[in-house]
This record gives sequence, C-alpha cells and structure tokens, in this order.
Amino acid sequence: AQTVTQSQPEMSVQEAETVTLSCTYDTSESDYYLFWYKQPPSRQMILVIRQEAYKQQNATENRFSVNFQKAAKSFSLKISDSQLGDAAMYFCAYRPRAFTDKLIFGTGTRLQVFP
Amino acid sequence: DAGVTQSPTHLIKTRGQQVTLRCSPKSGHDTVSWYQQALGQGPQFIFQYYEEEERQRGNFPDRFSGHQFPNYSSELNVNALLLGDSALYLCASQWSGELFFGEGSRLTVL
Repeated sequence: AQTVTQSQPEMSVQEAETVTLSCTYDTSESDYYLFWYKQPPSRQMILVIRQEAYKQQNATENRFSVNFQKAAKSFSLKISDSQLGDAAMYFCAYRPRAFTDKLIFGTGTRLQVFP
Repeated sequence: DAGVTQSPTHLIKTRGQQVTLRCSPKSGHDTVSWYQQALGQGPQFIFQYYEEEERQRGNFPDRFSGHQFPNYSSELNVNALLLGDSALYLCASQWSGELFFGEGSRLTVL
C-alpha cells in the first residue's frame, strides 16, 4: 500500500530563520508526483510546491525548496527566511503518475513562526 | 475569477440523518474530487467525478454518494450519518494535474 509519513507533528521557527519539514513515503511505483500543501486556519489547501519523480532536480518556489531523495523515498520541505504568514499546517502528499488522480496525504506538521 | 466554492461552511446534524454538501469548481474545471479530513488528520480521498460520472472511488462505504451536474458543479451526499462522519469535507477541482481546493464544509454529527 502507498503511504505518506510525516513524523513531526509540530515544528517551530523564528521569523527570518530556516526550517525543514520531513516527509517519507512508501510506493512500488517508479513514476509519481509529490506535493507539499499548506493549510492555514482558513482551511483552504494551497499548493506550495510540486516535484515530479522523474526529475532529478529539486523543485524550488521562491523561499520554498525541497530535498527529494528518490532512493530513500524522502521528500523534505525547506522554508527559508520564514515569515509570520507561513504559520499553518503543512501536508505532504503523493500521487502516482498513471491511472489515478487520487492524492494520498500524510498527517501533517503544524508550523509555528515566532517573531 | 472565483475559486472553488463550497456550501454550507458549517452544519450540525444528528446521527441517522442525511446531509448534502455542494461544490462549484473553478471556471472551466471539469473534474471534481471530494476529500474527508478528520480532526488532526490529513485529507482522505472519497471519490472523483468527471463528465457527470464517478471515475474513481476511495475506501468509503456506499452511504457516501455523489453527483456532478452538466455545469460541473458537484454534490456529496452522506446517508445514515454516524458520529465518525464528523469532519471537514473538502472539494477540489482539477486542471492540468493540479488540484485547487475550496475552504471546506465542517460537518458535526451529534
């Protein structure tokens, strides 16, 4: 079965500092997508960053970057220059490339940002 | 351009009742998925609709059913509500492999 594990229920960071959120996944597929979603108190899931498994280069979106280790099935999110608005729940998610649009989510990491 | 809109935002039901949740996708998006997010958990896939047909289903009982209309809007129906159905129900529309989520409907079953 395909699973996504986020082992850090809560993390905290000081404003302007860097924080890394961890995610591991289990799959027998070779081609898939990985995502990080942010869910603020407004409840709306917002896509932060997407990685395609066949691309070796780590995805980057402004202050957000990932460390994708395919052999280790690890997909961590690094947030640089943290801002108060980054405080939210962060979910790692997986989707095989073929035959399904179903996302499999981890249990989330609550990120607190302190001034 | 309006995003994904869901209604109602909050509702309270009692065990055994039935509920209908509604979702309007982003303009031009023809695929709608529904997820259930229990408190403290990540969302779990319920089903997906495309061209008014259920295209894929997650591990949910038949009490959970849905519908998609010609304008691509969608409904999620849950019959014979159980306490364990209390959750945030998220709708997402899809374009080019990316999901766009609404703010959800918070269902409380007493």
